[in-house]
Amino acid sequence: EAQVTQNPRYLITVTGKKLTVTCSQNMNHEYMSWYRQDPGLGLRQIYYSMNVEVTDKGDVPEGYKVSRKEKRNFPLILESPSPNQTSLYFCASNPTGWNEQFFGPGTRLTVL
Amino acid sequence: DAKTTQPPSMDCAEGRAANLPCNHSTISGNEYVYWYRQIHSQGPQYIIHGLKNNETNEMASLIITEDRKSSTLILPHATLRDTAVYYCIVRPNLYNQGGKLIFGQGTELSVKP
Repeated sequence: EAQVTQNPRYLITVTGKKLTVTCSQNMNHEYMSWYRQDPGLGLRQIYYSMNVEVTDKGDVPEGYKVSRKEKRNFPLILESPSPNQTSLYFCASNPTGWNEQFFGPGTRLTVL
Repeated sequence: DAKTTQPPSMDCAEGRAANLPCNHSTISGNEYVYWYRQIHSQGPQYIIHGLKNNETNEMASLIITEDRKSSTLILPHATLRDTAVYYCIVRPNLYNQGGKLIFGQGTELSVKP
């Protein structure tokens, strides 16, 4: 089944404790993105990647890192999480830069 | 990207057609209209997109006015599982930030028995 998977789905952590949210897609898509969703602010793009080893900042990249060593994986790294990074995170992939995007199920992160 | 305006909420009776409007009066010639929906904090789901012709797929129909300043998403026989927030998004048909989608506030559709 074609899908985007994220892990973990739920995470509660404390300020400053490094964490990684994994994202994997099995559709051989070139493009992958990370979004965060907050009440009243909608979905905002954090980072995106056009292909392996090619990444760039989205609209809200501060406090996040990403890597794209393999086509299928696009992990989101929070080196030192803070409470303002408490949010619902979505990974997405698409075969080109403008076709329909496939979203993962989401990761709900709480930083205490 | 052109800005879109949608009603914040709508109700629809189960089995009836749901017609969700979207205004995009500043749309430019190379911009497509996309529709996504999000069911209660799940990942957004692509529904349909179009440029200027009406489009239909297994999920919905998209009607775009001749001047392209507005569009309507039609769910022909709404079910309770269609209860979701529906987003109308306008974006150009070219590479832009990895296909970044700008989600507005959308329309919260409630399908009632």
